[in-house]
Amino acid sequence: GAVVSQHPSRVICKSGTSVKIECRSLDFQATTMFWYRQFPKQSLMLMATSNEGSKATYEQGVEKDKFLINHASLTLSTLTVTSAHPEDSSFYICSARDAEGTNEQFFGPGTRLTVL
Amino acid sequence: DAKTTQPNSMESNEEEPVHLPCNHSTISGTDYIHWYRQLPSQGPEYVIHGLTSNVNNRMASLAIAEDRKSSTLILHRATLRDAAVYYCILRVGPYNTDKLIFGTGTRLQVFP
Repeated sequence: GAVVSQHPSRVICKSGTSVKIECRSLDFQATTMFWYRQFPKQSLMLMATSNEGSKATYEQGVEKDKFLINHASLTLSTLTVTSAHPEDSSFYICSARDAEGTNEQFFGPGTRLTVL
Repeated sequence: DAKTTQPNSMESNEEEPVHLPCNHSTISGTDYIHWYRQLPSQGPEYVIHGLTSNVNNRMASLAIAEDRKSSTLILHRATLRDAAVYYCILRVGPYNTDKLIFGTGTRLQVFP
């Protein structure tokens, strides 16, 4: 199956700093990528849909100025958590849609963010 | 958003079949039924999907009710590696603009 990578796999930062998470589709082009957040023992919550070359579409209740998304190429989307606070600590997962193939979403391994 | 209902948890013994149910009574005619599973601290893994007909692949089978208001994921012989949270999801929206909305999932425990 198609492979999606995320970097870093885990990050610890101080409160008030910004953190960038990368999501890459390794063997296919993804015009659309998705960003999810998952708190412990909970399900995935869709944060936003990222389309290559255009602005991301955010789900209701997700602050676009806090979670900056950039999808500059067909294989890379980035999520920047700005001015991170302890309540932003979570497991962030991206997925990429293989629009040229099966139209399925393939998920990355996730990034564990801990804000001190 | 289209919603699914699954039992919170299920148990199975190794090498026995497992039937994971899912109710989706508000499904519309164009919504695909997807199943993903997630192991601890990993991203979800695609398992299977279908629209109206039953589907089989190397991982599992998907049985879809005739009225499409429910479906069942079938693992034919559970292994310890199948222990995970299984999510039944409706893929809603037009082709190429659709999105996956995750429910609470079923935590499957497999005992040796």
